[in-house]
Amino acid sequence: AQTVTQSQPEMSVQEAETVTLSCTYDTSESDYYLFWYKQPPSRQMILVIRQEAYKQQNATENRFSVNFQKAAKSFSLKISDSQLGDAAMYFCAYRRYLGGSNYKLTFGKGTLLTVNP
Amino acid sequence: GAGVSQTPSNKVTEKGKYVELRCDPISGHTALYWYRQSLGQGPEFLIYFQGTGAADDSGLPNDRFFAVRPEGSVSTLKIQRTERGDSAVYLCASSLLGTSGGLDEQFFGPGTRLTVL
Repeated sequence: AQTVTQSQPEMSVQEAETVTLSCTYDTSESDYYLFWYKQPPSRQMILVIRQEAYKQQNATENRFSVNFQKAAKSFSLKISDSQLGDAAMYFCAYRRYLGGSNYKLTFGKGTLLTVNP
Repeated sequence: GAGVSQTPSNKVTEKGKYVELRCDPISGHTALYWYRQSLGQGPEFLIYFQGTGAADDSGLPNDRFFAVRPEGSVSTLKIQRTERGDSAVYLCASSLLGTSGGLDEQFFGPGTRLTVL
């Protein structure tokens, strides 16, 4: 079974600075998807960024980018120019590409990000 | 268009009672998922519907939990003889297709926070 580990329960960053959230995962699959979700106090999970494992290029979405190291099974999220609205719980998630149960998301325990003004 | 909605937002019940949690997916989405998020944890998969049928209910913890989606849209998660350990946020998500792989984004609702006293 796949597992996702987020080793940082909490992180803080100053407004306008850069922060990196860590995620490692364990899988025997060669093709899969990785995601970062944001969960603000409203509880609604919002997709921040997605990475296809077969793509070597790291995904970017505006101020959000990832560092995907497939051999190391590492998938970190970098938030640049942090804003107060970035404060939330961040979850790393894994999903198989094809085959049985490829609809299931497997989540890590999350990292609580605080942004200080 | 409207996103995924869930009712009630919060539900407090007593141990041993029966509860129903409702999910209204995005119109036209054939796939629907239920996840459970316990305190300090990431969401965990419960059940997946493709249309009206439960394609995978392997995440349901025991036979006190049951879910239906009779017309292929709204879904109800039913919990009998609630226990204190059932206290959690129950998240619903929907997607357009389901088993087409990672490109099929899951959109989450705001969840129902269930508290069993």
